[in-house]
Amino acid sequence: NAGVMQNPRHLVRRRGQEARLRCSPMKGHSHVYWYRQLPEEGLKFMVYLQKENIIDESGMPKERFSAEFPKEGPSILRIQQVVRGDSAAYFCASSPGTENEKLFFGSGTQLSVL
Amino acid sequence: GENVEQHPSTLSVQEGDSAVIKCTYSDSASNYFPWYKQELGKRPQLIIDIRSNVGEKKDQRIAVTLNKTAKHFSLHITETQPEDSAVYFCAAQSGGSYIPTFGRGTSLIVHP
Repeated sequence: NAGVMQNPRHLVRRRGQEARLRCSPMKGHSHVYWYRQLPEEGLKFMVYLQKENIIDESGMPKERFSAEFPKEGPSILRIQQVVRGDSAAYFCASSPGTENEKLFFGSGTQLSVL
Repeated sequence: GENVEQHPSTLSVQEGDSAVIKCTYSDSASNYFPWYKQELGKRPQLIIDIRSNVGEKKDQRIAVTLNKTAKHFSLHITETQPEDSAVYFCAAQSGGSYIPTFGRGTSLIVHP
C-alpha cells in the first residue's frame, strides 16, 4: 500500500498563474480532505470530498480555489491567479469513510508564489 | 462549529523529562480526539487517539486523558527523547462529522 501520494512536492508559480495540486488517496479510501498549513498556524481545513462529490467546502476561499475528486484519477486542488498569500504547504489526507477514523496524510505540496 | 484551543504553542524540555500538551474544545457533541505528530518537513501522522467513552488511554510512553465535563483533553509524554521533538496537533471531531478540527499545534523541543 503506497499511502497517500501528493505531487508535486514543490511548486513554484508567478503571481497570476494557475496552480494544480494532485492527491491520490490510499487504496480503498474514498474520502479526501485538503488542508492548508502556514507556519505557526496549524492545519486549516479547506474541503472534504468523496468520489464525484464535494461534501463540505466551508474552508475554501470563495474565489480562485476549487477542488474535484473525479470518478477516475486523483483529487485536484486548483488555485487560479495565484497571489503571494497563497504560498503555503497544502496537505491532502484520506480516510476509508467511516465515522471517527484517523486520517492518513500525504507528504504535502509546498507552493511558493513569486 | 467546533473550536479547538491548544497550549502551549512551544514547549522545551530536557531529555528524560515529561511533557504535557493541553487542548480544549467547544462542541459538547465531539466524541473522537486524535493526536498527530509532525516531524520537521514531514507529514502529520496519528500517534494516539481517544474516544469519549473512555477517560484515559496509554501506549508505551504516550498517554491521553479526556475530561468530557470540562471539555478538555491532554497528551502526556514521559521519559522524553530527542526524537520526540516535533509539532503535535490535537483534534476534535463530532459524532456524525467526518471532519476533524485541529488545534494550532505545539512545537516540542527535547534537549539532549
